[in-house]
Amino acid sequence: QPALTQPASVSGSPGQSITISCTGTSSDVGGYNFVSWYQQHPDKPPKLMIYEVTNRPSGVSNRFSGSKSGNTASLTISGLQAEDEADYYCSSFASGNKVFFGGGTKVTVL
Amino acid sequence: QAQLVESGGGVVQPGRSLRLSCAASGFRFSIYGMHWVRQAPGKGLEWVAVISYDGSEKYYGDSVKGRFTIARDNSKNTVDLQMNSLRAEDTAIYYCVKEFRYSFDAFDIWGQGSMVVVSS
Repeated sequence: QPALTQPASVSGSPGQSITISCTGTSSDVGGYNFVSWYQQHPDKPPKLMIYEVTNRPSGVSNRFSGSKSGNTASLTISGLQAEDEADYYCSSFASGNKVFFGGGTKVTVL
Repeated sequence: QAQLVESGGGVVQPGRSLRLSCAASGFRFSIYGMHWVRQAPGKGLEWVAVISYDGSEKYYGDSVKGRFTIARDNSKNTVDLQMNSLRAEDTAIYYCVKEFRYSFDAFDIWGQGSMVVVSS
């Protein structure tokens, strides 16, 4: 059972905005700002999309944004495009020098 | 550009051992912590282990603690994962991963993965 809770699936039409939640505890998401998000297309390794809750690495579209409130982090994809269809995982540093991942969210572009 | 290449995967019987290796290139390997993350077939990501930039600190996920050992050689730019007492539930793609900027902050470089199948 993954330590962080994500919805199994989220869908939206092209151009719409969607938000994926990632819920943990005060010992992980709520206690640290080392929350990151990854995009994974089929048969590919994950790709870093957001680091330290809100920051985008160089080369990642500004349609992707991150936020956090309490023990829940969120990833928002604006202006949804067909290429955004993928699995998305959140991750957080956790007490005891561990890393937790969410169970993953499948994003479908309708 | 930065690259990580894993090797050593394969099919192994339950209870046996296997050693994965990861070769890094294109970045200053000796100043970054390195992790292993795995993904069982059709499942999500699971963090396995981390080793600090100088090898002085190592931490493990609960499911592999006591069975797996992570090590690095900064002179060869490699990080290894020794896996003992393997179980069927260890079957997964194992990714070698580089820390982004700080310890545990994020993972910016991923290898293509090495498949490990534990089966009799």
